Amino acid sequence: DSGVTQTPKHLITATGQRVTLRCSPRSGDLSVYWYQQSLDQGLQFLIQYYNGEERAKGNILERFSAQQFPDLHSELNLSSLELGDSALYFCASSATGENTEAFFGQGTRLTVV
Amino acid sequence: AQSVTQPDIHITVSEGASLELRCNYSYGATPYLFWYVQSPGQGLQLLLKYFSGDTLVQGIKGFEAEFKRSQSSFNLRKPSVHWSDAAEYFCAVASISNDYKLSFGAGTTVTVRA
Repeated sequence: DSGVTQTPKHLITATGQRVTLRCSPRSGDLSVYWYQQSLDQGLQFLIQYYNGEERAKGNILERFSAQQFPDLHSELNLSSLELGDSALYFCASSATGENTEAFFGQGTRLTVV
Repeated sequence: AQSVTQPDIHITVSEGASLELRCNYSYGATPYLFWYVQSPGQGLQLLLKYFSGDTLVQGIKGFEAEFKRSQSSFNLRKPSVHWSDAAEYFCAVASISNDYKLSFGAGTTVTVRA
């Protein structure tokens, strides 16, 4: 158990819909990262938050957004869903300081039908 | 921009045999390199990482990796594979220490035969 909790584990929704994926980082970790793992694109970094503020953006579509709340949990919002958004979405968290490690959650598998 | 290449999509190895997974990176400055393992239905688990210092890095589960700057490689090895090592392995690179905006390779799937 990595200590990073993602809900739900599975999500099936229709094209055009909007979903919210939730991530609870390890206790005390200020950084949260979101990744997408798909068959055609592999594992891609989407976005990073640090202590409530957006820190970095990767290959995140404009239809996607995220936020990190004061209690440090994070949500990834995916809207106007397309078939190609079907993927495994991972959240990871890390502490601040030297010699840290990123811990990954088990992911949310999103299927768009 | 940084990138990672894992040349082998799939490797089959006999239980008890040695394993080597290749990873080549492209990055202009000092890379921070990682190997992760993903078992079916599981998240990613860090096997080992290289930030600086000794180029031979020891990790969990009996894995080690060697950083070779001249070859831009960070190959993962295990002397004797167990059936439980069947999984997908990802090499990743970051540009800043302790910053996990990682660029991942495409992954290598390892099958272990009895």
